[in-house]
Amino acid sequence: KNEVEQSPQNLTAQEGEFITINCSYSVGISALHWLQQHPGGGIVSLFMLSSGKKKHGRLIATINIQEKHSSLHITASHPRDSAVYICAVPTLTGNQFYFGTGTSLTVIP
Amino acid sequence: EPEVTQTPSHQVTQMGQEVILRCVPISNHLYFYWYRQILGQKVEFLVSFYNNEISEKSEIFDDQFSVERPDGSNFTLKIRSTKLEDSAMYFCASKTLAGGPNEQFFGPGTRLTVL
Repeated sequence: KNEVEQSPQNLTAQEGEFITINCSYSVGISALHWLQQHPGGGIVSLFMLSSGKKKHGRLIATINIQEKHSSLHITASHPRDSAVYICAVPTLTGNQFYFGTGTSLTVIP
Repeated sequence: EPEVTQTPSHQVTQMGQEVILRCVPISNHLYFYWYRQILGQKVEFLVSFYNNEISEKSEIFDDQFSVERPDGSNFTLKIRSTKLEDSAMYFCASKTLAGGPNEQFFGPGTRLTVL
């Protein structure tokens, strides 16, 4: 049973393209996290959101709590955006997290 | 900018040996986590820790695992008798408050290789 599903698993884009990564979850949550994992393995937190939309630079994250769905968008993609993007949801206590399998993004110059 | 640090970056050990992975969370954070990621698989929750005790743990976190905050700065994960399947990347994370939708900050990870 997968509490968090991401799509697509792999994505290749040309530089400049608009990218969308989707996340669906089946558990009740208080917030959802989008994480970026670099090729070296390190994880960086991009967004934490519980409603609506957040924007940081070229990254935009949206969430629809009723539909249990979130999207991560990258505008004007760049090769340095190449990484694995992971959706993670905490349990309602916030003390345990379920992670998606990640979306591996490659942006070609 | 404050960050979570982990040592060592890579640990190689023989099966059956004990290993201790070390983490220094951000200084004013109160809630600590360990995660692991087996190569090619998703990140998995191991344990959360608050107020000097385990808050939650997953099925993976069996009797071979233990966590400790031996002093005011370090947070350690001990694996008593390593198995081949313990080979993975182990991430430490911390956040300011216990529970609630607060952002976690991740360390760079320790790659554990069990031979």
